[in-house]
Amino acid sequence: EAGVAQSPRYKIIEKRQSVAFWCNPISGHATLYWYQQILGQGPKLLIQFQNNGVVDDSQLPKDRFSAERLKGVDSTLKIQPAKLEDSAVYLCASSLGRRARETQYFGPGTRLLVL
Amino acid sequence: AQKITQTQPGMFVQEKEAVTLDCTYDTSDQSYGLFWYKQPSSGEMIFLIYQGSYDEQNATEGRYSLNFQKARKSANLVISASQLGDSAMYFCAMREGTQGGSEKLVFGKGTKLTVNP
Repeated sequence: EAGVAQSPRYKIIEKRQSVAFWCNPISGHATLYWYQQILGQGPKLLIQFQNNGVVDDSQLPKDRFSAERLKGVDSTLKIQPAKLEDSAVYLCASSLGRRARETQYFGPGTRLLVL
Repeated sequence: AQKITQTQPGMFVQEKEAVTLDCTYDTSDQSYGLFWYKQPSSGEMIFLIYQGSYDEQNATEGRYSLNFQKARKSANLVISASQLGDSAMYFCAMREGTQGGSEKLVFGKGTKLTVNP
């Protein structure tokens, strides 16, 4: 079974530029998550989708971050304009459903460096 | 207040020995789940083991076991017979009750485990 796919794996941009990350979850997984992991910390949830709909985006900086999940499969996370503090690893995860016992499976992440 | 506390920034263990990584949590929910993930230098978060708040027995998965002490709100990960490939960051995470809310995982800051030959 293929895992969660993410691209690109690495991205270097200058502040005020825009950037987009792509995620393809495990086939059949209805729930998709985007996490931000700053160096030295654990991941922090940015947004959670259930199929096409947003379940939780309370920690998404909506003035610069946006995300969408078209057709309930792939998802894109965008930052515009980027700031220095956005340098982090962006992890996409998916799970079969929303039960407490459901394991979230993570992709390899996208390492973003904002100069 | 932190919901997940991992007090050991770094741990060292000799190959083939057992090691315990500490995790304490804070929640007022009766229903919650506790997870441990491994993150090698490649960056991917690898699921290791899960413990539900209502599970009566400690979870085990191969060389990994979870020492769950509900009254103390601790969920320590025990790795038996350490291998060089176990060197990585280890994160404890909690998911609280799912009564119409987010099922987000809340992570601790992690423990860096180094296995020495």
